Amino acid sequence: ETGVTQSPTHLIKTRGQQVTLRCSSQSGHNTVSWYQQALGQGPQFIFQYYREEENGRGNFPPRFSGLQFPNYSSELNVNALELDDSALYLCASSLVFGTSGGNEQYFGPGTRLTVT
Amino acid sequence: GQNIDQPTEMTATEGAIVQINCTYQTSGFNGLFWYQQHAGEAPTFLSYNVLDGLEEKGRFSSFLSRSKGYSYLLLKELQMKDSASYLCAVRDRLDSSYKLIFGSGTRLLVRP
Repeated sequence: ETGVTQSPTHLIKTRGQQVTLRCSSQSGHNTVSWYQQALGQGPQFIFQYYREEENGRGNFPPRFSGLQFPNYSSELNVNALELDDSALYLCASSLVFGTSGGNEQYFGPGTRLTVT
Repeated sequence: GQNIDQPTEMTATEGAIVQINCTYQTSGFNGLFWYQQHAGEAPTFLSYNVLDGLEEKGRFSSFLSRSKGYSYLLLKELQMKDSASYLCAVRDRLDSSYKLIFGSGTRLLVRP
């Protein structure tokens, strides 16, 4: 158990719809990263939030957006869903990852999104 | 460009030793991680290397050579529960912060 929680566990949506996924970070962690993991692949970096600001983004289109709240919980929003968006979505929290500390990211259990 | 390569699958026998290799090419290397991921579960942290050499942690060891862009994870005294995917990930510079770039993972099957 990492202390990182995600909801919902599973979700089925139709192409063109919008979805919001949620993540609660481990206590004391102020940085959250989101990843997309397709079946049989490694996680792909979507973006990272630090102190409620986007702090880096991978190669994902603008229809992938996010929020981080004052309590460091986070949301991932995906608009205009496509079939290829079907994947496991992972969030990972850390303490100022990559700067003065936080060598380790703690992953949540993920949300399995299926787009039909 | 950024690229991480590791074997797709490996098979080993319970009690044996297995070495999973990882080669990488990144522009702003700042450390290499190994994660274990059981089917349907989240990745869990195994090891971290930022300097060349071997880091040992119980039955698991990880080695890094920055000049060769190479790492390996060594698992000793294999147990059935070690059957999982092993992900090599490089921390790479991203603007004012860092991101993890993952390989596709190596599926390890431990047989009795």
